[in-house]
Amino acid sequence: AQKVTQAQTEISVVEKEDVTLDCVYETRDTTYYLFWYKQPPSGELVFLIRRNSFDEQNEISGRYSWNFQKSTSSFNFTITASQVVDSAVYFCALSEADFGNEKLTFGTGTRLTIIP
Amino acid sequence: DSGVTQTPKHLITATGQRVTLRCSPRSGDLSVYWYQQSLDQGLQFLIQYYNGEERAKGNILERFSAQQFPDLHSELNLSSLELGDSALYFCASSVSPQEGETEAFFGQGTRLTVV
Repeated sequence: AQKVTQAQTEISVVEKEDVTLDCVYETRDTTYYLFWYKQPPSGELVFLIRRNSFDEQNEISGRYSWNFQKSTSSFNFTITASQVVDSAVYFCALSEADFGNEKLTFGTGTRLTIIP
Repeated sequence: DSGVTQTPKHLITATGQRVTLRCSPRSGDLSVYWYQQSLDQGLQFLIQYYNGEERAKGNILERFSAQQFPDLHSELNLSSLELGDSALYFCASSVSPQEGETEAFFGQGTRLTVV
């Protein structure tokens, strides 16, 4: 069975600080996908990134970066120079890389509050 | 805008009633997924349809059912509603699995309140 753990329930940082959201996953599959989604106060789920289990390169997109470490089954997300608009709940998710079975298993989310 | 449309956005109904939630996937997406987000259960996968056929089932109650129509829109039917069914219901769609892209794009959700 797949499982995603986001141990940090809530994090608060002052604007412009860097913050890292942790994600640890469990799966028996050798091929899988990892995702991060953002849920702002308005409620929608916004796709941020997808990572294939074969690709352990870190990724940077603007102020966002992701660190995928297969050895520790972690897929952490860092926001650099945080802004108030980053305040949201962030979900890490896992899916099998099985065509026709792409359901997502979500973590419980981390509520990030950026204090102005 | 993800391109996935869910209606209605809000729904308030009484216990014991039946409701239908509707989802229009992104143009060209053949897979539709339904998820439930509740305070106690978090975000949980309910069911997936691919091109009109049920493809995967998660923690979906027997009182709930879904279908995907030939035009690829999907409906989630919730019956004999209980207070605990109050939640945010998301629909998501993704491109054909054969394309190798598996990220799901989510609609804005339907917030169901059972009173």
